[in-house]
Amino acid sequence: GDSVTQMEGPVTLSEEAFLTINCTYTATGYPSLFWYVQYPGEGLQLLLKATKADDKGSNKGFEATYRKETTSFHLEKGSVQVSDSAVYFCALSDQGGNDYKLSFGAGTTVTVRA
Amino acid sequence: NAGVMQNPRHLVRRRGQEARLRCSPMKGHSHVYWYRQLPEEGLKFMVYLQKENIIDESGMPKERFSAEFPKEGPSILRIQQVVRGDSAAYFCASSLGQSSYNEQFFGPGTRLTVL
Repeated sequence: GDSVTQMEGPVTLSEEAFLTINCTYTATGYPSLFWYVQYPGEGLQLLLKATKADDKGSNKGFEATYRKETTSFHLEKGSVQVSDSAVYFCALSDQGGNDYKLSFGAGTTVTVRA
Repeated sequence: NAGVMQNPRHLVRRRGQEARLRCSPMKGHSHVYWYRQLPEEGLKFMVYLQKENIIDESGMPKERFSAEFPKEGPSILRIQQVVRGDSAAYFCASSLGQSSYNEQFFGPGTRLTVL
């Protein structure tokens, strides 16, 4: 079945550093791809998404591009802040009539130090 | 507008007991989803419900697990005769409509520990 593999953490960075979290997927067709973020004590929040190949999702300085040829959706941010400390989840949706089903990676914990 | 509420946040049960997890969706949302996150793994879809109906329970274990979303009140995920392997984080999400075009809003999760 469809699955997502993302970079293992934890990742520790200094403020203003560049962040990349790798995410690759396995799917039989062309799913939609998502990044969710979970801040301490809160639920997962949608950070960005892309619904077709070569789409770029962006939000709050984060970007990810849907790469069909490499089946990847890597998350990047050019200059992180302490407030970006969180757990980041890559996810894909099932296709067709079942696209409410999300499949998630294991999550990557990111800590940004001042 | 309050977000998705889940309670309890932490639940400890002994083997053989029952666990009841509650989820109140966002106001106006009639679609509820339950996901389970086992240690070191990603969230896995369990069940999708609308008011009074189970739409898709393909991710639910065949035995001991059940879910409901009554006309009034929260959605309930019930686990009977819990075993240690049920220890996990259980997340609930809600949306305005079906399909991935309708964002799923997640609650903070319930951490179940089975002793």
